[in-house]
Order: sequence, then C-alpha cells, then structure tokens
Amino acid sequence: AQSVTQLDSHVSVSEGTPVLLRCNYSSSYSPSLFWYVQHPNKGLQLLLKYTSAATLVKGINGFEAEFKKSETSFHLTKPSAHMSDAAEYFCVVSGGGTYKYIFGTGTRLKVLA
Amino acid sequence: DTGVSQDPRHKITKRGQNVTFRCDPISEHNRLYWYRQTLGQGPEFLTYFQNEAQLEKSRLLSDRFSAERPKGSFSTLEIQRTEQGDSAMYLCASSLAGLNTGELFFGEGSRLTVL
Repeated sequence: AQSVTQLDSHVSVSEGTPVLLRCNYSSSYSPSLFWYVQHPNKGLQLLLKYTSAATLVKGINGFEAEFKKSETSFHLTKPSAHMSDAAEYFCVVSGGGTYKYIFGTGTRLKVLA
Repeated sequence: DTGVSQDPRHKITKRGQNVTFRCDPISEHNRLYWYRQTLGQGPEFLTYFQNEAQLEKSRLLSDRFSAERPKGSFSTLEIQRTEQGDSAMYLCASSLAGLNTGELFFGEGSRLTVL
C-alpha cells in the first residue's frame, strides 16, 4: 500500500525567508508524487509533480521539490516566502497499479510579516 | 468556465435524510474521483470512475454511500440516512485517462452539514 507522511502539521516562517515542507512516502513501486496547495475557501491546485523524469522538479510560484529515493522523501522548498504563500499544502502519491491519489494530512504554512 | 463544477456548494440536512451531490468534470476527462475532507485533514479517497465504470471504491465507504456516472460524463454521490459523522467537504476531481501521473483537477467542493 502507498502512503505519504507529512512531518509537520504547522510551519511558520517570516516573509522573505526560505520555506521547507517535509514529505516522506512509502511505495512498493516507482511512485508519482505531487504537491497540491489549498488556499482558504479555494479549490486544490497543483504546485508540481514528479513522474520519474528529473529528480528536481520546479513548480509554480517559485516552489520546487526534490525526489530522493534513498531517503524516500519529496520535500517542498521555496527560497523566499511571500505572504500569499500562506495556505495548506498536501503531499500526494500515486501509481503502482492503482489510479488512486493518496493525500497526506497536510501542512499549514503561516507567513509572518 | 471549463473547470470542474460541483453542486450544491453547501447543504444542511437533518440526520436520517438523504442527500445527493453532483459533479461535472472537465469535458475531455475520462476519470472522475470523489474525495471527502474533514477539518484539519487531507482529502480521503472515496471512489473513482473511468468513463462510466466505477473501478475502485474505498473500504471505508459504507453501504449508505453510492456513486454513479451513468453516461461517463457527470457523476452523482448519494448519501442515504445521513449521520452527523458524514459532515465534511465532498470533493470531486477529474483527470485524463491513460495517465496515472496526470494532474487531478478539483472542484471547489460541496460542504455537507448534518444536524
């Protein structure tokens, strides 16, 4: 069975400082991995995805994530946080003979002025 | 607007009543998913369709829940004899068939409150 674990339920950063949201995955197969963002009262939006091509994936709004098979991790980073980045972020795994997408429990990012 | 649309956006009902939610996916998308999200949690998979075929259903989905996609286009999710524990946001998403690496496009959800 596939799963993802988001290691922090809440992360606070100051505006202009780096963001790190951590995600570990478990999969018996080569997974596809995604990060989605959910702003308050808005639908879920794809930030980026890894699908067995380049291990460093660039997404929208300056976010990127690195797939590390040896560490079973797919952490999300951004060099400089902006107030508009405040939202809930979900790490998602898919693949391995199923078309289900399994979501983590989410990390709420707070950006302080 | 050609995104995923869900209706109604909000539903308040009394315990024991039946409710039905509708989802209209992006027109060229063959796969359609239903998820449930409660406060402070990630979306939980309920079921998905490829065209009109329901290919997988979560073991967590009780017999009171049923989903259909009769013509491979829109889908309905019905909850019979609602319970207070059914209160949640019900999310619909669609994607292109043939890709298990494709992006899920989500609607804005249908929020259910069971009194």
